[in-house]
Amino acid sequence: DVKVTQSSRYLVKRTGEKVFLECVQDMDHENMFWYRQDPGLGLRLIYFSYDVKMKEKGDIPEGYSVSREKKERFSLILESASTNQTSMYLCASSLSYTQYFGPGTRLTVL
Amino acid sequence: QKEVEQNSGPLSVPEGAIASLNCTYSDRVSQSFFWYRQYSGKSPELIMSIYSNGDKEDGRFTAQLNKASQYVSLLIRDSQPSDSATYLCAVNILNAGNNRKLIWGLGTSLAVNP
Repeated sequence: DVKVTQSSRYLVKRTGEKVFLECVQDMDHENMFWYRQDPGLGLRLIYFSYDVKMKEKGDIPEGYSVSREKKERFSLILESASTNQTSMYLCASSLSYTQYFGPGTRLTVL
Repeated sequence: QKEVEQNSGPLSVPEGAIASLNCTYSDRVSQSFFWYRQYSGKSPELIMSIYSNGDKEDGRFTAQLNKASQYVSLLIRDSQPSDSATYLCAVNILNAGNNRKLIWGLGTSLAVNP
């Protein structure tokens, strides 16, 4: 079974803090993705990576950065958290097109 | 026009009935189509993928693909209350490079009433 894990299920941070969300997959998948999901807006792609040290911007990269130093780990960084970044953050990995999701991190920025 | 469109619902069906969920897409060269189920507060989980025109069955679920009309549907037979969830349709797009992006619909909310 594909397993994608995320570092936290719930996270509360303050405005201006630097926030790290980590994602680990155990299936040797090349591709990894970070999404955020908000009511009425669906899944929106923030960043994705198709190889170690490679990254590409998704549809809403502003305010975020990513790091992929190892194939199994893909980190999302909020450089200076803002209240409009309160959301559900979902990590996914894939070998081809089929994506497998982690459990999600519900981030609240106060 | 959105690239992947779904009726937001809610779609309400009685227990035991057939639920029919539809999805249309705009990219004619798309080749891979996926249905995911998402329970409230949980992450999406893959139900089925389909790549060729026609029907693909897996238990109570049947995916139907019609590339000429650019739609893909999901039928759920003998619907159960546990099927109540949001169903997401996703379609690949062919980009330059080696990435594997999917385009997502906003989802259809299904309620199965006992």
